[in-house]
Amino acid sequence: ETGVTQTPRHLVMGMTNKKSLKCEQHLGHNAMYWYKQSAKKPLELMFVYSLEERVENNSVPSRFSPECPNSSHLFLHLHTLQPEDSALYLCASSQESRTGASPLHFGNGTRLTVT
Amino acid sequence: KNEVEQSPQNLTAQEGEFITINCSYSVGISALHWLQQHPGGGIVSLFMLSSGKKKHGRLIATINIQEKHSSLHITASHPRDSAVYICAVSSNTGNQFYFGTGTSLTVIP
Repeated sequence: ETGVTQTPRHLVMGMTNKKSLKCEQHLGHNAMYWYKQSAKKPLELMFVYSLEERVENNSVPSRFSPECPNSSHLFLHLHTLQPEDSALYLCASSQESRTGASPLHFGNGTRLTVT
Repeated sequence: KNEVEQSPQNLTAQEGEFITINCSYSVGISALHWLQQHPGGGIVSLFMLSSGKKKHGRLIATINIQEKHSSLHITASHPRDSAVYICAVSSNTGNQFYFGTGTSLTVIP
């Protein structure tokens, strides 16, 4: 078990569907992240929840909507996605402090295909 | 231009070879991370370092803060080392992470 669990592992959805990705961390960390990984590109930060504050990448479209009900759980709600949103979506957690963040601990990712 | 650049992008080696992957960065950092991603997606943190050198088994990571450069070495490479190796830095302002595009390593028996 990785300490960060993501479900589902694979998701195929049509452009009119609504679905949610789920992430749970069992490490007692105080920060959680959503990253998008597309082929041949660096990991792209989408959202951060850190010490109950949300930080977002302004280039992320509004069809992606995060939710963090508590420090252990993170969701990414998806609606009316486009085929170019097909990618691997990775959740991560870390322990943040004034001196910086600990290493990121990643989940295994959700492979999303939008048809 | 990406804040973190890695080379090479792809690397094929024979089993037993010594492997080096390089990483350069252009931002101020609090730490540099080397990550390993196996097929299937899961990412594992290999090293987090802010100076000098760290060793774990056959893996060695070094960093030169003045030159803003890090290397990941694999000694006596093995097919199970085949993975994508990603260099990342955590910035010294605002707990941000920047990632390289990764180096895809294939070790042939």
